[in-house]
Amino acid sequence: SYELTQPPSVSVSPGQTARITCSGNKLGNKYTYWYQQKPGQSPVLVVYQDVKRPSGIPERFSGSTSGNTATLTISGTQAMDEADFYCQAWDRNTVLFGGGTKLTVL
Amino acid sequence: QLQLVQSGAEVKKPGASVKVSCKASGYSFRSYGISWVRQAPGQGLEWMGWISAFNGNTNYAQKFQGRVTMTTDTSTSTVYMELRRLRSDDTATYFCARGATPADAFDYWGQGTLVSVSS
Repeated sequence: SYELTQPPSVSVSPGQTARITCSGNKLGNKYTYWYQQKPGQSPVLVVYQDVKRPSGIPERFSGSTSGNTATLTISGTQAMDEADFYCQAWDRNTVLFGGGTKLTVL
Repeated sequence: QLQLVQSGAEVKKPGASVKVSCKASGYSFRSYGISWVRQAPGQGLEWMGWISAFNGNTNYAQKFQGRVTMTTDTSTSTVYMELRRLRSDDTATYFCARGATPADAFDYWGQGTLVSVSS
């Protein structure tokens, strides 16, 4: 079955760039979506269709894709960005989520 | 403003059923579908299925086939998710989320409904 693989954790210093990856077979041929979830809250869509940003999402959030890997990049990371991040894709009539990455802003 | 408001927390015994509602407002209800996503305590997101608010067509995740039923009530702009034969590992927060199709982004989410299954 198809799987999306994310690193369990990523750490970044305030003001630096955080990169969270999501890997899956031929992921570049599918759309990838990214969600941010803070403790006790519902997920929030931060990137859709690989690279698009919903209205209201800060410009520091961006998405890219290459080959089997999609990447969520947070430029100038702020303390408020600390959260769990999930990638999502669609394969064979099923929605798949990555296992999630905990972003820590040290 | 656009909102998805879910019903309140539930406590159920193993073997029972639960029905969670998701009331939509602030947009054209029939123009979108609703997915249900659950999250066990401390765990990741798991997609359960999607229903079209336009015609009631459903797409269930294989794992839940035969145990889940999603329905809509267009008169009240409400979507329901019923899960039967509950087990302790069904304890989770259940979210509804808007998506035009099951392959699209989930751009708005409900606040979540905690379902606890315990004897």
